[in-house]
Amino acid sequence: GQNIDQPTEMTATEGAIVQINCTYQTSGFNGLFWYQQHAGEAPTFLSYNVLDGLEEKGRFSSFLSRSKGYSYLLLKELQMKDSASYLCAVLYSSASKIIFGSGTRLSIRP
Amino acid sequence: SQTIHQWPATLVQPVGSPLSLECTVEGTSNPNLYWYRQAAGRGLQLLFYSVGIGQISSEVPQNLSASRPQDRQFILSSKKLLLSDSGFYLCAWSSGTGYNEKLFFGSGTQLSVL
Repeated sequence: GQNIDQPTEMTATEGAIVQINCTYQTSGFNGLFWYQQHAGEAPTFLSYNVLDGLEEKGRFSSFLSRSKGYSYLLLKELQMKDSASYLCAVLYSSASKIIFGSGTRLSIRP
Repeated sequence: SQTIHQWPATLVQPVGSPLSLECTVEGTSNPNLYWYRQAAGRGLQLLFYSVGIGQISSEVPQNLSASRPQDRQFILSSKKLLLSDSGFYLCAWSSGTGYNEKLFFGSGTQLSVL
């Protein structure tokens, strides 16, 4: 199987930091995506990790551990507009298959 | 630059009617193409993907089919829609290199089967 697990919902406070975790099955793994999706819209690309470690892009950072089958998305200095669903997805190279997790709905409170 | 076109944006169809959703990509060649469906408040379910003309991989047995008649055209079809086919359908493409990858999405089709 290619189960991808992430929390269903999270709540955080404006200005704070939040970490959204994602675990996946490592067999056939090639890389991991993070996407942001607002209701009724198509997902927008945040990051793609292939190598272990942390990649930072402004307020958003993404971490990958290939051996542990684990990734997280770190959002800093949260803003109200960050309220959205965050989707973790894995590229399985054997078939160019890209599988998404169920998404984490993040709510930001003032 | 590359662009992806998906239409229509919204569609209301009666149960038992046929369906055809079309997706085209411009500005790239031999892309990997994907169809996803998203139920309200849920994640993206991979329906079909294609790595080349005429090559279709199906992920979930269902009432739908896909075809890739041209390199940059991907079509999702059904002969008879079910109520459970309602959802937000997204077409996407990637370069398929496996390095510095990015999955680009169309704007989606909201399908309501009544």
